[in-house]
Amino acid sequence: DAKTTQPNSMESNEEEPVHLPCNHSTISGTDYIHWYRQLPSQGPEYVIHGLTSNVNNRMASLAIAEDRKSSTLILHRATLRDAAVYYCILRLGFGNEKLTFGTGTRLTIIP
Amino acid sequence: DAGVIQSPRHEVTEMGQEVTLRCKPISGHNSLFWYRQTMMRGLELLIYFNNNVPIDDSGMPEDRFSAKMPNASFSTLKIQPSEPRDSAVYFCASSARTSGKTDTQYFGPGTRLTVL
Repeated sequence: DAKTTQPNSMESNEEEPVHLPCNHSTISGTDYIHWYRQLPSQGPEYVIHGLTSNVNNRMASLAIAEDRKSSTLILHRATLRDAAVYYCILRLGFGNEKLTFGTGTRLTIIP
Repeated sequence: DAGVIQSPRHEVTEMGQEVTLRCKPISGHNSLFWYRQTMMRGLELLIYFNNNVPIDDSGMPEDRFSAKMPNASFSTLKIQPSEPRDSAVYFCASSARTSGKTDTQYFGPGTRLTVL
């Protein structure tokens, strides 16, 4: 499976934008880029996913590099509730349902 | 919708005992996943089902672990006999697999298992 590399931890001030990077240099053409997050004492929850184009939803934005070897999850205005571990996952499209979680980035929000 | 329901939320047992974890997926979802999370190994996929059929059990650690899905609304993960190294949080997730689309997985709250 193609692997992802994320910083172990990041800090951000409340109400400021947060950019969470992910490197995936061995990504294949059919791999989707998924982001999940895990709030303390909860199960993971879906954040966003994309293939080639940048994506926006109510939770976040996903910026994908033109060569697809890296991506950035953008939280536009971090709140204390966004403190979580964020996982960047490559998932083979069309029928492969497996998610392989790495170690993720632990995001701390400073009030 | 109530989301994915897992029971029990906490389980403490002694080594050698049988443990059964239960999961009710979101109604209408046709794929179900069992994960295990520990500090040492992170979040690992143990097994997943599609339309009640096991598709990939390559993550099941050993024969002491077994999983069943007798119908679309219920699954169990059984450990027999349990060992202290099985202590972990076990998550169940479900998704609505549709042709040609990549599907979101919805996770339950987890079962925290402690084997003494």
